[in-house]
Amino acid sequence: QKEVEQDPGPLSVPEGAIVSLNCTYSNSAFQYFMWYRQYSRKGPELLMYTYSSGNKEDGRFTAQVDKSSKYISLFIRDSQPSDSATYLCAMIYTGFQKLVFGTGTRLLVSP
Amino acid sequence: DTAVSQTPKYLVTQMGNDKSIKCEQNLGHDTMYWYKQDSKKFLKIMFSYNNKELIINETVPNRFSPKSPDKAHLNLHINSLELGDSAVYFCASSQDSRPETQYFGPGTRLLVL
Repeated sequence: QKEVEQDPGPLSVPEGAIVSLNCTYSNSAFQYFMWYRQYSRKGPELLMYTYSSGNKEDGRFTAQVDKSSKYISLFIRDSQPSDSATYLCAMIYTGFQKLVFGTGTRLLVSP
Repeated sequence: DTAVSQTPKYLVTQMGNDKSIKCEQNLGHDTMYWYKQDSKKFLKIMFSYNNKELIINETVPNRFSPKSPDKAHLNLHINSLELGDSAVYFCASSQDSRPETQYFGPGTRLLVL
């Protein structure tokens, strides 16, 4: 079993929909949680970064961490075709120095 | 200005060959990484260097050898290429190993025939 699980999708939604992307993890030591967006044939780019439990909002994006359930989410409001990409969650714990990634969820937003 | 650049972008080669991938960052970061992304998009760290010193060395065949001539460069040399080495290899850099500062390069697509 992988340390970080993520549904590979694809997840297809119409433009304007609210998108929910999720990851579960098994290592309770993880403290820092990241979401990356990866367009086809490009490198991952950091979208959101959160520490510990709670919510963090940045424009149309909201990252949510529930450490008690070992579950993190990324919500995208008013989704756009330009949001079509693979979304990777990643996490790390203090002193470990390496990011552990989920397998990524492919999102398709149709006009 | 490209922050993290990799050369070449594409590499097609025969089994058994030796090849190198180069990475350069102009962000002034002190930590650099090599990741491998397989056909299912799973991204896994291979190596990490901080100030030219190897700090992460995952379970990677010793056919893979990283070299960091200075803080701004991290190269990856692969000996005796195998079919299973086909993947996209990403270089990344960060400041002080802080994950929120990690910036990825565009990737090198390696295809071993």
